[in-house]
Amino acid sequence: GQQVMQIPQYQHVQEGEDFTTYCNSSTTLSNIQWYKQRPGGHPVFLIQLVKSGEVKKQKRLTFQFGEAKKNSSLHITATQTTDVGTYFCGPKNSGYSTLTFGKGTMLLVSP
Amino acid sequence: DTEVTQTPKHLVMGMTNKKSLKCEQHMGHRAMYWYKQKAKKPPELMFVYSYEKLSINESVPSRFSPECPNSSLLNLHLHALQPEDSALYLCASSQVGTGNYEQYFGPGTRLTVT
Repeated sequence: GQQVMQIPQYQHVQEGEDFTTYCNSSTTLSNIQWYKQRPGGHPVFLIQLVKSGEVKKQKRLTFQFGEAKKNSSLHITATQTTDVGTYFCGPKNSGYSTLTFGKGTMLLVSP
Repeated sequence: DTEVTQTPKHLVMGMTNKKSLKCEQHMGHRAMYWYKQKAKKPPELMFVYSYEKLSINESVPSRFSPECPNSSLLNLHLHALQPEDSALYLCASSQVGTGNYEQYFGPGTRLTVT
């Protein structure tokens, strides 16, 4: 599958601060999916982006897919302690719908 | 019902034991997956079943043996494991195809090999 790099690996913010994680690829991606895994939990699907320049919002979360379809970002506005977890991105490969996860960004939010 | 269930939640086994992990979904998904996740790492794909047939084996050692008895069940048979196989084993399911098909993950089985 296609490989992606996620940055940062870890971020610690104060509650109320914003947070952004980036997902970068050296090759053009057909799509990108984002998942969240809470500590001790399992990955939960957040969104899929398919179109060049696509922007999708879910409450305080904003997802973007770059114009060249080589990068994506997840931005959280005014973080809350419930946002704690690891955010993974990954392209969904064609055929058998397999995912290749990036290494993830671990977010810690202090009250 | 959008739930994937896995049993057991925790498993401790010796290197000479034989055990099985079980996964079940009732969403009508015809693709099912096994992932292995080590601490602070992303899930790594092990196997993919599509329409109850093994379609992808990511070069997993033969001490891991998957089985898909029917469209709702997925098993992972374990034999002669090594301590480095200790990890969280996640099952997931999805629709088959190239559309916007998210994967639904189960809670996982935390395996410790002693």
